[in-house]
Amino acid sequence: QSALTQPASVSGSPGQSITISCTGTSSDVGSYNLLSWYQHHPGKAPKLIIYEGNKRPSGVSNRFSGSKSGNTASLTISGLQAEDEAEYYCCSYAAGNTYVFGTGTKVAVL
Amino acid sequence: EVQLVESGGGLVKPGGSLRLSCEVSGFTFSTYTMNWIRQAPGKGLEWVSSITGSSNYKYYIDSVKGRFTISRDNAKNSLYLQMNTLRADDTAIYYCARSSGSHDYWGQGTLVTVSS
Repeated sequence: QSALTQPASVSGSPGQSITISCTGTSSDVGSYNLLSWYQHHPGKAPKLIIYEGNKRPSGVSNRFSGSKSGNTASLTISGLQAEDEAEYYCCSYAAGNTYVFGTGTKVAVL
Repeated sequence: EVQLVESGGGLVKPGGSLRLSCEVSGFTFSTYTMNWIRQAPGKGLEWVSSITGSSNYKYYIDSVKGRFTISRDNAKNSLYLQMNTLRADDTAIYYCARSSGSHDYWGQGTLVTVSS
């Protein structure tokens, strides 16, 4: 049950695109399509922004997109905005009916 | 409107016990798997436990097996986490979250501090 690996921080200027990677193993990311991404502002509840690898819940901006290849998933934020500054976590369903989260990535808007 | 409200957090000594509650509204509680997820100070999110709608199946992260027990009362739209033999590394904000493959709704969390 080791955490999925994400970069500690990613930054970009307003309007730019950034991509956050999420690397797991064949026991989690590589085996299941239940890969989700969460946006977490300090002091608030985490918010689901991508589910099943590349689907957006109703109300989530289409500036957020997800993809997966093998044991690695990615979240891309296009047209970066100040409000996107937050911590982002990936999460995968894993063997044994468990879930494993990523280490988290702090996104800074320069 | 879907709402999840946690309660029961607080300060407890190592080896002590605490029972967290999560009261939900706005959806048919009994049809969803529910989860507890925590975040230790300065750390990332960590899935702790889940329970299916009818309580038939319960799952735990290895570090809490034998110490924590998840349960639910569908008549009261409530989820619980009984935490025994608490350790300093259990200190965290504990969130309840609804699951349908992904965790689509979360509460605001309740803080558990384990310290002497």
